Amino acid sequence: GAGVSQSPRYKVTKRGQDVALRCDPISGHVSLYWYRQALGQGPEFLTYFNYEAQQDKSGLPNDRFSAERPEGSISTLTIQRTEQRDSAMYRCASSLGGSNSEQFFGPGTRLTVL
Amino acid sequence: ILNVEQSPQSLHVQEGDSTNFTCSFPSSNFYALHWYRWETAKSPEALFVMTLNGDEKKKGRISATLNTKEGYSYLYIKGSQPEDSATYLCASGAGGSGGYQKVTFGIGTKLQVIP
Repeated sequence: GAGVSQSPRYKVTKRGQDVALRCDPISGHVSLYWYRQALGQGPEFLTYFNYEAQQDKSGLPNDRFSAERPEGSISTLTIQRTEQRDSAMYRCASSLGGSNSEQFFGPGTRLTVL
Repeated sequence: ILNVEQSPQSLHVQEGDSTNFTCSFPSSNFYALHWYRWETAKSPEALFVMTLNGDEKKKGRISATLNTKEGYSYLYIKGSQPEDSATYLCASGAGGSGGYQKVTFGIGTKLQVIP
């Protein structure tokens, strides 16, 4: 596709369930980032990949959160045993990579944990 | 400065006024400074990426400057229009593995232009 896509766009789940959020970056983009965005706030870094390698996962809040990008393209962010505080917009972005590469953001997945 | 800080957090200006806001970022291990424009219910869109001290970039009525030594960037909007109303996000790209960067965002400056 022409841009970054994410699925699902909306996810409502019950506390304690696992969820998997998918990001499909722009073809050829080396770097892929995951962010969490609270209402009205700027994106909060979670993790990022160069190709299939997870370079930095320091922003993942705890060990219930994990991410993978096994073939260097599509990425999945998984949240296990969801809690209400996990409710947020989860955005991914991709870039060509390098020090001056702009990021292209996906539409986000709005996660609501009941 | 340990994090990316933006000020003010929100701003109301009259149509036709010029305005500016500030982004402060850690100057150590600096790679690049990004500005994004984010309209509610949409995804952030890149305005500028700057890397060199003294860089100035311009796109229409919007321009930005960069001071990497002191760790700040200014975004200027000349003759604000209602369609400029948005949140302006600043992000700092720091050194990362293999020359690629981790990007840290500020919380944004929310601009409202009153007709």
